[in-house]
Amino acid sequence: QSVLTQPPSVSGAPGQRVTISCTGSSSNIGAGYDVHWYQQLPGTAPKLLIYGNSNRPSGVPDRFSGSKSGTSASLAITGLQAEDEADYYCQSYDSSLSGPFWVFGGGTKLTVL
Amino acid sequence: EVQLVQSGAEVKKPGESLKISCKGSGYSFTSYWIGWVRQMPGKGLEWMGIIYPGDSDTRYSPSFQGQVTISADKSISTAYLQWSSLKASDTAMYYCVRHSGSSWQYNWFDPWGQGTLVTVSS
Repeated sequence: QSVLTQPPSVSGAPGQRVTISCTGSSSNIGAGYDVHWYQQLPGTAPKLLIYGNSNRPSGVPDRFSGSKSGTSASLAITGLQAEDEADYYCQSYDSSLSGPFWVFGGGTKLTVL
Repeated sequence: EVQLVQSGAEVKKPGESLKISCKGSGYSFTSYWIGWVRQMPGKGLEWMGIIYPGDSDTRYSPSFQGQVTISADKSISTAYLQWSSLKASDTAMYYCVRHSGSSWQYNWFDPWGQGTLVTVSS
């Protein structure tokens, strides 16, 4: 059971828009801590996709965007491409234990139909 | 280029010890926290602990406290993750990550090492 909750899977056709949600609580996202997103292509290490809720590192296409509100965050992918098929993870900081303590969502598998 | 390069895959028997490494380059190794993340087969990501190579200050997730030891040798820009007695349940991919961001509450992980696959089997 992950501290942050993500849907196990989402899917969309090429060119479509999909969103992936990440739900936390008052000890992490709701406490105002930033949410970050990672993309893990099959057989590779995760890669930073979005940091600080909505910032894209250099080289990440603007088809990827992030937002945060209350105790949740979302990753949106527009103009879906076959190469976007991957696992996506959200991550934040949690203050419920004697920290520091960083937490991940359980991951969402994106299938491009 | 900022890079973390990890040691190669390991196959061990239960009860054996192991130390895997993560070498940083392209930045001031002593100025950033280095963390370790576990990914069990077919599962998600779990943060294990961190070390500040500048002074070897180390913190652990409660889930991993006492199960592993994190260390670093700043003279060779390398962090380590070690086990004294492996179990089959330690079979996983292990990633090292650089903690980035202004303060712990806003830290993200970038870059990631390529991962070290640890297989524990009799």
